[in-house]
Amino acid sequence: ETGVTQSPTHLIKTRGQQVTLRCSSQSGHNTVSWYQQALGQGPQFIFQYYREEENGRGNFPPRFSGLQFPNYSSELNVNALELDDSALYLCASSLQLADTDTQYFGPGTRLTVL
Amino acid sequence: SQQGEEDPQALSIQEGENATMNCSYKTSINNLQWYRQNSGRGLVHLILIRSNEREKHSGRLRVTLDTSKKSSSLLITASRAADTASYFCADISGAGSYQLTFGKGTKLSVIP
Repeated sequence: ETGVTQSPTHLIKTRGQQVTLRCSSQSGHNTVSWYQQALGQGPQFIFQYYREEENGRGNFPPRFSGLQFPNYSSELNVNALELDDSALYLCASSLQLADTDTQYFGPGTRLTVL
Repeated sequence: SQQGEEDPQALSIQEGENATMNCSYKTSINNLQWYRQNSGRGLVHLILIRSNEREKHSGRLRVTLDTSKKSSSLLITASRAADTASYFCADISGAGSYQLTFGKGTKLSVIP
């Protein structure tokens, strides 16, 4: 157990809809990152938040957006869902911004877009 | 884009045998990390090796790093059925954002 939780566990949406995924980081962790993992692939970095500000973004369109809250929770929002958005979405928290910091992953949210 | 590429893509061994997985990467790294993922769930951090280190041990795990060949290997000794999982290498990249860039992973099956 990493102490990082995600909700919901599974979600089914239809194309064009909007979705919000939630993550609760370990207490005291100022950094949260979100990753998308398609079937059979490694996780791909979506974006990172540090002390409630976006601190880096991967190659994802603006319809992927996020928020980080002072209580160590965060959200990933995806608008105008596409079939290719079907994936496992993982959040990971770490204590600070450092390249040696361990990132602790949650169990993920499995999103299916029909 | 994928940075590290693991080899082999899949590996099946008997319990008690050793498992070796390799990872190659394209650009220079600060450090390389290995993660395990069970059944498409969350990833668990296994070990981190810095760019100025050549070998690191943690329990039954041994990681090597060859920066001249841009490659790393993960050795699991005396494997157990519970080691069945996918294993990913990842490097920390990005100035200031410290994002993990993962390979596609090696799927390890340990047969009891």
